[in-house]
Formats: sequence, structure tokens, C-alpha cells
Amino acid sequence: SAVISQKPSRDICQRGTSLTIQCQVDSQVTMMFWYRQQPGQSLTLIATANQGSEATYESGFVIDKFPISRPNLTFSTLTVSNMSPEDSSIYLCSVGPEKLFFGSGTQLSVL
Amino acid sequence: GENVEQHPSTLSVQEGDSAVIKCTYSDSASNYFPWYKQELGKRPQLIIDIRSNVGEKKDQRIAVTLNKTAKHFSLHITETQPEDSAVYFCAASNNYGQNFVFGPGTRLSVLP
Repeated sequence: SAVISQKPSRDICQRGTSLTIQCQVDSQVTMMFWYRQQPGQSLTLIATANQGSEATYESGFVIDKFPISRPNLTFSTLTVSNMSPEDSSIYLCSVGPEKLFFGSGTQLSVL
Repeated sequence: GENVEQHPSTLSVQEGDSAVIKCTYSDSASNYFPWYKQELGKRPQLIIDIRSNVGEKKDQRIAVTLNKTAKHFSLHITETQPEDSAVYFCAASNNYGQNFVFGPGTRLSVLP
């Protein structure tokens, strides 16, 4: 399976600021996704990162709040904008298709 | 859309006993069913999966069964060990790897 690196691994941020999370894969992958895992909860899909075009967002997630870039087949970023304490979660990138593999995750705490 | 339920939410077993976690799904178009293990502070790891054209799959102490008619699938862990303690998530997907929906998770504790 692909090696999926995420950074930062954790961060503590102030309310109203933004954080950009990077996801790097060691091989080209056709599908990349971003998930959120709130404390003690399951995994919720934020969006599918499309190479060369706008991301496809799931219900309840919008581009202004979670802008995503995917400039090539090995890299993507997720920005959490104008953060509030409710954004405190683990954010995970993942790759497909078929079998879904996850990156190491970014634990975000918003004060 | 797809909805995945998972039971039980917590499960405690004695070391060496078996553990069974059950999931149900709602969308008959779902055709791929993976199971993930997530240890505390770590990423979810794929441990076993099954496709809709197969009824059962086994990998050492872990097995998964699928009943398409009833729309449920189960994870079976035999001879449990303390290192099996983790949160387990089931998921369902259609179109072979897109539109994954995860269950709420089961916290398994294996008591020595």
C-alpha cells in the first residue's frame, strides 16, 4: 500500500485563524479524500480532492470553510478556515480507489 | 444515501475468547465492505475486507461474513489477544471504493 504522510501531526490554534494540512503520497493515486474524526466519533468524509479541478464536497461541508487543493496525483492540502473550537478534530487524508488507506492524521485543537 | 449501523458499541471479552461485531447497511447497491482497526492515537488500519460476490473471507484469526439478502456483515475475531484491543469500524461502499460510509465504531477490550 502507498505511504501517506501528513503534516503537521498536531497543532493548537487560536479561534479565527486558519490551518493548512498537507498530505503527501509516495506514489501516484487516482483518488484522494479528506476525512474528519471528531473526538470519540467515527469517520466523516469532508470531500474528494480532484486533481486539476475543484473538490467535491459532502453535505454539510463547504469550500469557503474547507478549501482543498490537489495540484498533482501525489499531493493535496486541506485548509480549515476561520477556526472555532467546534473544529477541534482529527483530520485524515486517505487514498483509493477500492481499498481506502489513511494518512497519519492531524490532531487539531482550537482554543 | 447509505446508512451503516454497528453493534455493539463496546465489547469486553476475556483473552482467548471470540469477539463478534455486526454491521447492517441500507443501500443494496453497496458492494464492498472493509473493516478497520484504530488503536488509540493512530490511524485506522484496514484489517480485512469483503466484496459482494463473496460470502465469507478469512485471514488467520480474523474472518468476515456477508449476508447480502439481510444486508448485514460481521467481523469475527478468534483467540483474542490483548493487542486486539482497539476501536473497530465497519464501512460500506458502492462503485468499488467510492462513497465510503463508516459505522459508528465498536470499542473492543480484551481482558488478560
